Amino acid sequence: GQNIDQPTEMTATEGAIVQINCTYQTSGFNGLFWYQQHAGEAPTFLSYNVLDGLEEKGRFSSFLSRSKGYSYLLLKELQMKDSASYLCAVRGGQGQNFVFGPGTRLSVLP
Amino acid sequence: GAVVSQHPSRVICKSGTSVKIECRSLDFQATTMFWYRQFPKKSLMLMATSNEGSKATYEQGVEKDKFLINHASLTLSTLTVTSAHPEDSSFYICSAMPLAGGLPSYEQYFGPGTRLTVT
Repeated sequence: GQNIDQPTEMTATEGAIVQINCTYQTSGFNGLFWYQQHAGEAPTFLSYNVLDGLEEKGRFSSFLSRSKGYSYLLLKELQMKDSASYLCAVRGGQGQNFVFGPGTRLSVLP
Repeated sequence: GAVVSQHPSRVICKSGTSVKIECRSLDFQATTMFWYRQFPKKSLMLMATSNEGSKATYEQGVEKDKFLINHASLTLSTLTVTSAHPEDSSFYICSAMPLAGGLPSYEQYFGPGTRLTVT
């Protein structure tokens, strides 16, 4: 089967750093994605990892360990607008389907 | 680039009627489009994979006769919810994957979503 786990909710303070973890078990692996989704809107792409290691993009970084089935999204210098749901998704080995985790609702407090 | 539109953005319909939702890739061609539904405070659940010129592939538990998908061209896929019931009320989101060349082919680009309310 396929299973992706993320914490349901997290809270952090403006200006701080937060790490959102994602663990996965999928049949095959063709990449791990992180998306940001504000309430009532479609997800927007944040990052893509297909090889082990850290990918940095501005305030956001994403890490992948394929052997451990683990990824994290790191958000630095948090801003109020970063309050959103963060979705971890894995593209499986069979076909092109994306499997989404339950999402982590991040609340950034002043 | 990589803009996907959905129409309508919101629709309210009566129980028993059908609703068609359009998903268009505006500035790129997409052989594959995905249809998702999302309940409040829940994650995206893949309903079906739509490939241009062939029948859609439905996920387990999704009724293909209730959720009709047509992918008539490289820029348009439609989802028709037939004989809608209140439990079909949800946020429906499509995404499109570009043909190789230009845009990253590993990425999916999401439409803005359609909020369906069945009364």
